[in-house]
Amino acid sequence: GDSVTQMEGPVTLSEEAFLTINCTYTATGYPSLFWYVQYPGEGLQLLLKATKADDKGSNKGFEATYRKETTSFHLEKGSVQVSDSAVYFCAASSGAGRRALTFGSGTRLQVQP
Amino acid sequence: DADVTQTPRNRITKTGKRIMLECSQTKGHDRMYWYRQDPGLGLRLIYYSFDVKDINKGEISDGYSVSRQAQAKFSLSLESAIPNQTALYFCATSDALAGGGPNNEQFFGPGTRLTVL
Repeated sequence: GDSVTQMEGPVTLSEEAFLTINCTYTATGYPSLFWYVQYPGEGLQLLLKATKADDKGSNKGFEATYRKETTSFHLEKGSVQVSDSAVYFCAASSGAGRRALTFGSGTRLQVQP
Repeated sequence: DADVTQTPRNRITKTGKRIMLECSQTKGHDRMYWYRQDPGLGLRLIYYSFDVKDINKGEISDGYSVSRQAQAKFSLSLESAIPNQTALYFCATSDALAGGGPNNEQFFGPGTRLTVL
C-alpha cells in the first residue's frame, strides 16, 4: 500500500538556521502531496501542497517541490524562527480514488533563540 | 467559534466500556474523517465519510464504528474499549472538488485525548 516516510526528529536548530525535513513516498500513480503543521495542543493545519510533478508549494517562507524521479517532497525554509517550533507531517493522497490521506510519522522541530 | 469541534476533549475510561467521540463542523463540508495519532506513528485513518450515506473503512477500523448522523456530525464509537486504543483522536473535514478530485485541504478539529485504563 501507499506509505510516507519522514526523517526522524527531533530537529533542533538555532533561530535563522536553514531547515530541511526529508519526506519520501511510495505510491502507485501520482498522488498529491502535502505538508501539515501541528502546533502544541492544536490540530493539524495545512502548510502547503503540490498536486503534480515539479510543482512547488510554498507558504510562510516554507517550500517543497514535488520530485517524481526521487519520489520526494522535502520541506525547506531558509531562516527559521522560534515560532516555527511544531511537529511537521508529510502526507500523500491515497486510497480508492485517492480520496484519503496517508501521513508520515511526523518530525518535531524545536527552534532555539 | 471553531469550525470543527470535538467532544469531549479529554476522556479517561476503563477497559470494556463503550465510548463515543463526537465531531461537529460548521464549514458545510461533505467529507469527514476520523484519525488516531500515536507517538512515532503519525496519523492513521480509521473511517471516512463522503456523505451521509457513504461511509468507508480506513487503515485501522477494527474495534471502531462510526455514525454520520447529518452532514455536520460524524461520531466515532469504541464498542468495548481496550488499553491499546489510548491515543489522540482527530476529526477532519474537507470540501468536495468539482469532479470529486482528492487534491483538497483537510481541516482538523482540536483532538480528543482518550485514555483507556
